[in-house]
Amino acid sequence: AQSVTQLDSQVPVFEEAPVELRCNYSSSVSVYLFWYVQYPNQGLQLLLKYLSGSTLVKGINGFEAEFNKSQTSFHLRKPSVHISDTAEYFCAVIPSNDYKLSFGAGTTVTVRA
Amino acid sequence: EAGVAQSPRYKIIEKRQSVAFWCNPISGHATLYWYQQILGQGPKLLIQFQNNGVVDDSQLPKDRFSAERLKGVDSTLKIQPAKLEDSAVYLCASSHGGASGSTDTQYFGPGTRLTVL
Repeated sequence: AQSVTQLDSQVPVFEEAPVELRCNYSSSVSVYLFWYVQYPNQGLQLLLKYLSGSTLVKGINGFEAEFNKSQTSFHLRKPSVHISDTAEYFCAVIPSNDYKLSFGAGTTVTVRA
Repeated sequence: EAGVAQSPRYKIIEKRQSVAFWCNPISGHATLYWYQQILGQGPKLLIQFQNNGVVDDSQLPKDRFSAERLKGVDSTLKIQPAKLEDSAVYLCASSHGGASGSTDTQYFGPGTRLTVL
């Protein structure tokens, strides 16, 4: 079985400041990793995903994430946030032995001016 | 291209009543998913269809939940009878991939927020 832990439930941040959202996973098999964003009253939207290759993955809206296999982490970062980045962010994994997408509990990011 | 459509967006019912949700996936997407998202938690997969066949329904409470995708396009999820703990957002998603074991991107609809009183 696999699990996804998002270490921060809420992250307040000022506009133009950097932000990092932490995600750790546990799995007995190799995994594929994803970050989704959910804006208010909208569906989840894929930000980025790691399937293989370079461990630094760049996504939409200036976000990037780094896969660290030894630390079983996939932290999401953005160097300078905007008010429009206020949303809930979900880390998710697909294990290579059942291909079902499992989500963490989410991190709410609130960007203040 | 049009996204995943869901209706209704909001539904309030009393316990023991029945309710149905509708989903129309992105055109051409073979795989359709229903997720349940309880407040404060991430989405949890309820059922996965590939075309009109069920791939995985291991987490669907089959005593009260049912889902169908008769023509391999749109889908309905039904709860009968509803319980208080069914209050959640029900998300529909679709992906292009036709094979099980796919990491294809899942595209999500806006969800239906169900409140059971």
